[in-house]
Amino acid sequence: EAQVTQNPRYLITVTGKKLTVTCSQNMNHEYMSWYRQDPGLGLRQIYYSMNVEVTDKGDVPEGYKVSRKEKRNFPLILESPSPNQTSLYFCASSLDHGEQYFGPGTRLTVT
Amino acid sequence: QKEVEQNSGPLSVPEGAIASLNCTYSDRGSQSFFWYRQYSGKSPELIMFIYSNGDKEDGRFTAQLNKASQYVSLLIRDSQPSDSATYLCAVNWGSNDYKLSFGAGTTVTVRA
Repeated sequence: EAQVTQNPRYLITVTGKKLTVTCSQNMNHEYMSWYRQDPGLGLRQIYYSMNVEVTDKGDVPEGYKVSRKEKRNFPLILESPSPNQTSLYFCASSLDHGEQYFGPGTRLTVT
Repeated sequence: QKEVEQNSGPLSVPEGAIASLNCTYSDRGSQSFFWYRQYSGKSPELIMFIYSNGDKEDGRFTAQLNKASQYVSLLIRDSQPSDSATYLCAVNWGSNDYKLSFGAGTTVTVRA
């Protein structure tokens, strides 16, 4: 089954404790992206990757890191999480343009 | 700051009626436009995309694009309770097909 998977689905952590949210796709898509979704603000792009080893900033990259060492994986790293990073995070992948397939989401709470 | 604006809603329509959703965007260079549907607690899913001015129909859905007015809309004909969801407008910026901005979404409720 073609899909985008994210882990964990739910995470509660404390300020400053490094964490990684994994994202993996099995559709051989070149493009992957991370978004956060907050009430009233919609989806905002954090980082995106056009291919292995090629990443670029989206609209809200501060406080986040990404890497793309393999085509199928695109982890999101929060080196020192803060409460304002409490949000619902979505990973997405695409073959081209903006026709993106989204993962199930990761709900992160930073206390 | 490139922006995508949508009617805040919520939009309530009776079953069988037409639901009309609107979206405006700030960058005249935008090339590609998308409508995603998001059910409560679920991830967004693509329902329509449009690249050229005019109308594009897919089943009960019609997307309308007017680049001169920087306006894209979505019509849902014969609305069903299963159409109750939040609809997100998304826009690619200029020649960068991979940088995508979303509106905040319009929540639609179809009354049986």
